[in-house]
Amino acid sequence: GNSVTQMEGPVTLSEEAFLTINCTYTATGYPSLFWYVQYPGEGLQLLLKATKADDKGSNKGFEATYRKETTSFHLEKGSVQVSDSAVYFCAQSSMNTGFQKLVFGTGTRLLVSP
Amino acid sequence: DGGITQSPKYLFRKEGQNVTLSCEQNLNHDAMYWYRQDPGQGLRLIYYSQIVNDFQKGDIAEGYSVSREKKESFPLTVTSAQKNPTAFYLCASRGMGTLGYNEQFFGPGTRLTVL
Repeated sequence: GNSVTQMEGPVTLSEEAFLTINCTYTATGYPSLFWYVQYPGEGLQLLLKATKADDKGSNKGFEATYRKETTSFHLEKGSVQVSDSAVYFCAQSSMNTGFQKLVFGTGTRLLVSP
Repeated sequence: DGGITQSPKYLFRKEGQNVTLSCEQNLNHDAMYWYRQDPGQGLRLIYYSQIVNDFQKGDIAEGYSVSREKKESFPLTVTSAQKNPTAFYLCASRGMGTLGYNEQFFGPGTRLTVL
């Protein structure tokens, strides 16, 4: 079945460091891909998305490119801030008779220190 | 402001008791979802509903029940049959428009602890 694998955390960085969180997926067909962010004690917020191969999603300085050849959707940011500390989830979606099913990775905790 | 509300934020339950978690949305979304989140794991789908008076089991529906009597509301009941109910529960909704992609919006969650 469809699945998402992302790197285990925590990822610990100093402020202004470069961030990469790896995400790979297995799927039949061509799913849409997402990164969600969860701040402590809160629900998930959509950070960025890509709906087809070679699309680049971007938001708030974060970027991820849909790579069909490597089945990857790695999250990157050039300079992290303390406020970026959160758990990041990679997810894929498929549609079946109008029902959108999201399959999530296990999440990667990012800790940014001043 | 449009959004999804979940209540209560924290809930404690004794073993053997049923408990109902509330989820309300004013986004006029047709589809609603319930997920369970455990430490170190991703979200797992419990139930979903695409329209009023219709709902389907997700991947881990055993020990849970739902209803969808109104478009705005999708309450989740955690029954005594759920063997390990302590978790963080997230509700989501999604519009079903045909123009563009429609994302799932999440509520703030309810943390359920069984004592």
